[in-house]
Amino acid sequence: AQSVTQLGSHVSVSEGALVLLRCNYSSSVPPYLFWYVQYPNQGLQLLLKYTSAATLVKGINGFEAEFKKSETSFHLTKPSAHMSDAAEYFCAVSDRILLGAAGNKLTFGGGTRVLVKP
Amino acid sequence: DTAVSQTPKYLVTQMGNDKSIKCEQNLGHDTMYWYKQDSKKFLKIMFSYNNKELIINETVPNRFSPKSPDKAHLNLHINSLELGDSAVYFCASSQDMHPSAPLHFGNGTRLTVT
Repeated sequence: AQSVTQLGSHVSVSEGALVLLRCNYSSSVPPYLFWYVQYPNQGLQLLLKYTSAATLVKGINGFEAEFKKSETSFHLTKPSAHMSDAAEYFCAVSDRILLGAAGNKLTFGGGTRVLVKP
Repeated sequence: DTAVSQTPKYLVTQMGNDKSIKCEQNLGHDTMYWYKQDSKKFLKIMFSYNNKELIINETVPNRFSPKSPDKAHLNLHINSLELGDSAVYFCASSQDMHPSAPLHFGNGTRLTVT
């Protein structure tokens, strides 16, 4: 079964500093990979996704993530944090080999809460 | 225009009661889901439907019964509510069942069972 590990349940950064959120997956076949953001009292919004094109994926709000097969990682970064980036971030994977009747089943990591200090 | 809307936003009820949560999407998507988020923010899929057909039933107690009257709606009925059912329930939709299809989430229904 797929599993996703997000290192660090909480990350605190200063405004203007680099944001780095770590995500590692376990799968012998590289899955589809996603980052979602959840603002307080809201649902999850897609930040970016990796399918099989470029290993560096650019998303919304200045975020990007790099797929590294050798490290089974998909870390999320943003060069300069903004106060509005304070939220919960979830890495998720979807098994590439589950097609057809098996459906689309996202497995989420435990989430990382980002706090941005002024 | 809200893409995925679910009602109610908050639901407080007593143990043993039966309650329903409704979900509608206006994105024209074929596939809809229910996810449960526990108090530690952990998200787990419960059900998925594609064009009104049940696709995923993730070992959820049979007190939970989803119903999809059409592909734009997926409701969740819960019988005999228990304390452990307290959580935030998210409805979501995707264009189709392909595993690369991103999910669009509603804003959640916070269920509190007392």
